[in-house]
Amino acid sequence: QVQLQESGPGRVKPSETLSLTCTVSGGSISSYYWSWIRQPPGKGLEWIGNIYHSGSTNDNPSLQSRIAISVDTSTNQLSLKLSSVTTADTAVYYCAKIRLHGYIDFWGQGTLVTVSS
Amino acid sequence: EIVLTQSPATLSLSPGERATLSCRASQSVSIYLAWYQQKPGQAPRLLIYDASSRATGIPARFSGSGSGTDFTLTISSLEPEDFAVYYCQHRSFGPGTKVDIK
Repeated sequence: QVQLQESGPGRVKPSETLSLTCTVSGGSISSYYWSWIRQPPGKGLEWIGNIYHSGSTNDNPSLQSRIAISVDTSTNQLSLKLSSVTTADTAVYYCAKIRLHGYIDFWGQGTLVTVSS
Repeated sequence: EIVLTQSPATLSLSPGERATLSCRASQSVSIYLAWYQQKPGQAPRLLIYDASSRATGIPARFSGSGSGTDFTLTISSLEPEDFAVYYCQHRSFGPGTKVDIK
């Protein structure tokens, strides 16, 4: 079964770009659809965006201008870049495998990213 | 963008009681709605998809219903491990309902 592991810096400075990688094991990244979700401490879940077989993406309108989601089939990795971060971007970031209609059936364990100077 | 609202924000019940959680969409999503359970320190877990289909391994005490804009998650008899936060999702997520022990 598919397993997901997020990695990246635990701290990013305001105005910089947050970069995260998700390593997929137990399956080919090109066989499925993928998503990024985040959760600020003590708050609810926020959908960031999806990426599909074709490489096309679907992003949260509130974040659209700042995010870039991509897939590297040679390394079986998914990536997220979020530019111009502020303290409001502090959250646990999850990568996830999604099914038809965007249902999330496998989640990574999540990685906490703190935006602070 | 479709906005999901959930009610109540908190539901205080005892083990063995029935829990009824509501999710309302700002416009019709047909049956394309999912429910997730999240416990502290854990990633969420898919419970229900397509409004009423249970995900693999989910106990029969969890059931979903609804279509269009109004949906319900029912837990027929709460087990101790069911006290958690529940989210509905159609691309984006609702704000969640916390089910805690009365």
